Order: sequence, then structure tokens, then C-alpha cells
Amino acid sequence: AQSVAQPEDQVNVAEGNPLTVKCTYSVSGNPYLFWYVQYPNRGLQFLLKYITGDNLVKGSYGFEAEFNKSQTSFHLKKPSALVSDSALYFCAVRDNTGGFKTIFGAGTRLFVKA
Amino acid sequence: DAEITQSPRHKITETGRQVTLACHQTWNHNNMFWYRQDLGHGLRLIHYSYGVQDTNKGEVSDGYSVSRSNTEDLPLTLESAASSQTSVYFCASSDRRQGQTGELFFGEGSRLTVL
Repeated sequence: AQSVAQPEDQVNVAEGNPLTVKCTYSVSGNPYLFWYVQYPNRGLQFLLKYITGDNLVKGSYGFEAEFNKSQTSFHLKKPSALVSDSALYFCAVRDNTGGFKTIFGAGTRLFVKA
Repeated sequence: DAEITQSPRHKITETGRQVTLACHQTWNHNNMFWYRQDLGHGLRLIHYSYGVQDTNKGEVSDGYSVSRSNTEDLPLTLESAASSQTSVYFCASSDRRQGQTGELFFGEGSRLTVL
């Protein structure tokens, strides 16, 4: 069965500093991996995805993520955090056996302090 | 612009009542999903559909049902609401055409309180 783990409930970072939000996954075969962001009282928004190819993928709002197959990780990164990046971030893995259902991690709340 | 809308956005009901949450998308996506969001659990899949007349159970389907009579709508019904079903519910859709990678488009959520 596919699963996703986000080991940190919360990440705190100062504005201007680099940020990392961690994600590890468990899946048979090649993973389809995603990051989504949720702002207060809103639905989730797609940030970026890894399907195949370059291990470093770039997404919206200056975010990027690094796929590491040996460590089964897909950490979200940003070189310089903004206060407006404060939100709830979800890592997710999509069914790679022909279906489309997506399984989410528990989420990590990011606080960026001015 | 295409969108996915949920209604009602907020609802309070009593234990034992039947409740239906509506989801309507104009993306023309074949795939539609219902999730519930609870603190500490992230999003958990309730039901999903890959097309008209197709429905499938997710990981937390007990007490819920869906029907898919057209491409645009996937209503979620709670047959007999329980306090454990107090949650925020999200509808999502994705494109299943060949080559599409299945990123989800979400509605704004429906907050349900069962008293």
C-alpha cells in the first residue's frame, strides 16, 4: 500500500532564510509525488510534482522539491522564505498502478516569522 | 474560468439526519474525489469516481455514499449523520486523459458540524 509521512507537525523559519519541509514515501514501483499548499479556510492548491526525469523540480511561488529515490524522500524547499509562505503544506502520492487516487500526508504547518 | 464549487460551505445538523454535500466542477474532468480533513490526519479519501456511473470506496467510506449521474457533479451523502463525521469536507477533480499526471483541483470545502 502507498503511504506518505511528514515527520514534522510544524516548521518555524525566519523570513529570508531557506526552508525545508520534509516528506518520505512508501510505494511500489515509480512514485508520482506532489506537494499542495492550503491557506486558512481555503481548499488545497497544487504546488509542484515529480513524475519522472530531473530529481529537482520547480513549482509555483519559488518552491522546489528534491526527489531522492534511495532515501524515498521528496522534500519541499525554498531558498528564501516569505511571511506569506506561512500555510499548511501537504505531500501526496498518486496511485501508479493505473488509477488516479491520491494519498496525502498529515500536513506540516509552516510559520515564517518577520 | 473553470472551477469546482461546493455547497453548502457551512452546515450544522443533528445526529441521525441525512445530509448531502454538493460538488460541481466545470473542468470537464472525469475523475472526482471526496476527502475529509481532520486535525492530525491530513486528508483522507472517502469515495471517488472515474466517470459517469462509476463510484469507488476510499479508506474511510463507512457511513457515506456517492452517485455520479453526469460528469460535472459528485454529491456526497451521509446516510445518518454521526458526531464522528464532524469535519471539513473537500471535493477535488483531476484529468484522466492520457498523458495527464493527475494533479488535483480542489473546492473551497464544506464545514459540517453534527450535534
